[in-house]
Amino acid sequence: DAGVTQSPTHLIKTRGQQVTLRCSPISGHKSVSWYQQVLGQGPQFIFQYYEKEERGRGNFPDRFSARQFPNYSSELNVNALLLGDSALYLCASSLTEAYGYTFGSGTRLTVV
Amino acid sequence: DQQVKQNSPSLSVQEGRISILNCDYTNSMFDYFLWYKKYPAEGPTFLISISSIKDKNEDGRFTVFLNKSAKHLSLHIVPSQPGDSAVYFCAARGLSGGGADGLTFGKGTHLIIQP
Repeated sequence: DAGVTQSPTHLIKTRGQQVTLRCSPISGHKSVSWYQQVLGQGPQFIFQYYEKEERGRGNFPDRFSARQFPNYSSELNVNALLLGDSALYLCASSLTEAYGYTFGSGTRLTVV
Repeated sequence: DQQVKQNSPSLSVQEGRISILNCDYTNSMFDYFLWYKKYPAEGPTFLISISSIKDKNEDGRFTVFLNKSAKHLSLHIVPSQPGDSAVYFCAARGLSGGGADGLTFGKGTHLIIQP
């Protein structure tokens, strides 16, 4: 069985640009969450989607947005990139909203 | 304000001995706690969890203890093996449930198992 897959694995962008990160959940999982992990810190919650609806949002600016598609895959968009957005972006999927989060390997975003 | 704290950035343990990783939390609304293990260039891997209504949960070599009055949990690994060398994250979920608040993670403890 495929796990949570994220694309791309690495990305370099310039300040001010926009980026879209993609996540495919484990088959049958209806919930997708996004986390940002900067160096030396634990992952920080950005969004959770369940059945295509936003169910939770962390303390991130409006430059961050996401959506979930009918096949339960998800995209995270970040506009007007800042140097501080450089981080590992992790996607997690779960059967329900509450339990059993499985993480992907992440997308390493570098903003220069 | 860090709601989940792992005060030891690193821990070195001899192979075969017990590894004890500690985690403190400040938010009394947390109802569910998880431990994740992370290797470089990989995502966090779920290890073990515990509900706030329990004080212990065991799974093979891994045991998690929860002391609600002290707002403290610990992960015990016995016996420690070389493959256990990784960064361990403590995470907590709020009583609002669902996914509304997501998981709150600590900064992690780098466990090094010495041969």
